[in-house]
Amino acid sequence: GESVGLHLPTLSVQEGDNSIINCAYSNSASDYFIWYKQESGKGPQFIIDIRSNMDKRQGQRVTVLLNKTVKHLSLQIAATQPGDSAVYFCAEKGQAGTALIFGKGTTLSVSS
Amino acid sequence: GAGVSQSPSNKVTEKGKDVELRCDPISGHTALYWYRQSLGQGLEFLIYFQGNSAPDKSGLPSDRFSAERTGGSVSTLTIQRTQQEDSAVYLCASSTSRYEQYFGPGTRLTVT
Repeated sequence: GESVGLHLPTLSVQEGDNSIINCAYSNSASDYFIWYKQESGKGPQFIIDIRSNMDKRQGQRVTVLLNKTVKHLSLQIAATQPGDSAVYFCAEKGQAGTALIFGKGTTLSVSS
Repeated sequence: GAGVSQSPSNKVTEKGKDVELRCDPISGHTALYWYRQSLGQGLEFLIYFQGNSAPDKSGLPSDRFSAERTGGSVSTLTIQRTQQEDSAVYLCASSTSRYEQYFGPGTRLTVT
C-alpha cells in the first residue's frame, strides 16, 4: 500500500545549526513530493516541492533532496532560526493522482 | 490576496448532533480538498472536488460524512450523528493544478 513516514517524530537543534528532516515513502510510482510546515493552530504552509525527474531543489534556506533508489526524501534547513520551530510534514502524490498522502510529521524545536 | 478561509474556527458539539463546516477556497482555484487531522497525526484525505467532475469521495470514513461544493466555489462538509472519534481538526485546501495545495487554518471540532 501507499504510505509516507518520517524517521523521527522530534528533532531539537540549536539556533544557527543546520537541520535535516527525513522522510521515507513506499510508492515508487509517486511523481511529486512536497514539504509543508505547520505552526500551532494554523494550517500547513507550503515550503518546497520536487518532482520525480529531479533529485535536488533549493529554495530560500531550504533544500529538498530526493533519492528514488531508496525512496527517501529529506528537507534541509540552513541556519535554523527559532521561527522555524513547527511540525514538518512530507507528502507524496498518491496513485489516484488527486489527494496528497501525508506522513505523521516531525516536530522541530529550535532553542536559542 | 485572500487565502483559503474556513468557518467556524472552533466547534463544540454533543454526540449525536449534526455539524456543518464551511470552506471558502482561493478565488479561481478549481480544485478543493478536505482533510482531517487527528491530534499528533498527519493529514487524512477525505474528499476532493475538481471543477464540474464527480467528486472523489474515497477518503470519507463513513456514510455519516458528506460534502458538497456549490457553484464551483464554497464547500460544506457535513458530519451527521457525530461521534467522539470525529473530534479532530478539519482542513480545507484549494489549488489550480494537480500539485501545490494551499491550506486554510482549519476547524477544530470537539464532540463531547
